[in-house]
Amino acid sequence: DTAVSQTPKYLVTQMGNDKSIKCEQNLGHDTMYWYKQDSKKFLKIMFSYNNKELIINETVPNRFSPKSPDKAHLNLHINSLELGDSAVYFCASSRLAGGRQNNYEQYFGPGTRLTVT
Amino acid sequence: GENVEQHPSTLSVQEGDSAVIKCTYSDSASNYFPWYKQELGKRPQLIIDIRSNVGEKKDQRIAVTLNKTAKHFSLHITETQPEDSAVYFCAASRRGSYIPTFGRGTSLIVHP
Repeated sequence: DTAVSQTPKYLVTQMGNDKSIKCEQNLGHDTMYWYKQDSKKFLKIMFSYNNKELIINETVPNRFSPKSPDKAHLNLHINSLELGDSAVYFCASSRLAGGRQNNYEQYFGPGTRLTVT
Repeated sequence: GENVEQHPSTLSVQEGDSAVIKCTYSDSASNYFPWYKQELGKRPQLIIDIRSNVGEKKDQRIAVTLNKTAKHFSLHITETQPEDSAVYFCAASRRGSYIPTFGRGTSLIVHP
C-alpha cells in the first residue's frame, strides 16, 4: 500500500511547455506539501495546503500553482517551463497541526524527476 | 522566520565509527525536531524525532539530543554501517505552524 504516490516518476519536456504532476495520499492526512529538491539536495518548500489554508513560499514563481480537487490530492501545475525548473519534486503529507503536540512527521512521495530541455 | 543551519555538509567515516551531525535553529518557539534520511534516488523518510519537552531520545544505534538553551540539536549514529550512507536532513517547526524548516542536509559516507 503506497501512502503517498506521485505521477509521473520521470518527466522530460521542452522549455515553454505546461506540465502537471499529480499527488495522492491515502493516509487521511489533512495537510499536503510540495517540495523542490535541486542538484545540491536542498529541500525547498514550495507550498503547504490544508482544507483551510494555502501557504505559498514567496520565492516560488507564479508559474507554479497547486490544485487540490479534494483532501487526498494536491497536484502541481507548472506553466512556461524554464531550464531552472529541472529538479526532483516531492509531494508530502502530514497530520493537521492541533493540540498541545501539534507537529508531526511528513510522509514523502517517491518524487518526480523533471528535466527541462 | 526560522533558520536552520546544519553541519557538516559532508561526513566520511569508517564502518564501525560513530557519526555526529549538528543543527542549530533560530526560533526559540520551535518545539519539534525531526531527522530524515534520504538514500540515493529515494524519498526522505523520518528516522527519529524529538520534542522540546525531552532532552534526548534513542532508538537502537540512533540518538538525538536537544539543547533548548543553546538552540541546537544533534543526531548521533553509533557503529555505523555502509547502509547508513545517505543524506540526512534535520528540521525544526514551531507550535501553531505545520511548515517545517529544513537544514541543507549532510551527506554521510560510511566506508567498509
